[in-house]
Amino acid sequence: GESVGLHLPTLSVQEGDNSIINCAYSNSASDYFIWYKQESGKGPQFIIDIRSNMDKRQGQRVTVLLNKTVKHLSLQIAATQPGDSAVYFCVLSGTYKYIFGTGTRLKVLA
Amino acid sequence: NAGVTQTPKFQVLKTGQSMTLQCAQDMNHNSMYWYRQDPGMGLRLIYYSASEGTTDKGEVPNGYNVSRLNKREFSLRLESAAPSQTSVYFCASTQGFWTSGRTKNIQYFGAGTRLSVL
Repeated sequence: GESVGLHLPTLSVQEGDNSIINCAYSNSASDYFIWYKQESGKGPQFIIDIRSNMDKRQGQRVTVLLNKTVKHLSLQIAATQPGDSAVYFCVLSGTYKYIFGTGTRLKVLA
Repeated sequence: NAGVTQTPKFQVLKTGQSMTLQCAQDMNHNSMYWYRQDPGMGLRLIYYSASEGTTDKGEVPNGYNVSRLNKREFSLRLESAAPSQTSVYFCASTQGFWTSGRTKNIQYFGAGTRLSVL
């Protein structure tokens, strides 16, 4: 079946450095991918998405890269700030369901 | 504009008790979803409603029922709560409903209901 997994449960990054959060998926038919940010005590919040006909998409301080050959997705956060501390989920949407990965907790060190 | 509102925020139940979790959205969205989130895990879909008047099972529907009361409201009911249902429950909505990969749908989530079943 479909599955989504993140490579690291926790990532610690120095404030000001760039962060890279990785995600692997198993379903080749998936054509829509989403990254969500979840702060403590809150619901997930949309960050950025990408369709399978693209390999890169940029937002404000965030970039998502998609490598369909190896079924790998990454979220890059530039100049990481304390407010970026949260759990990040990659989400697979290839059927009527949204499949969530287990999440990576990003810790920003002062 | 409140977005997605969930009530209550916290609830403690005894095994066997019943309760209904409420969710309402004010974005005129067509589709609504209920998820549960357990520690260290991603969100798992319990039930969803593609449009008013329809509901379907998700990944983990056992022990739950839902009602799409109208376009705004989608409730989740636990008929006989069990300790395994201790979790954080999230409601979400989307403007449309993904059908064939042609429609982009961003889910908007509520703040969650933290439920403990003793």
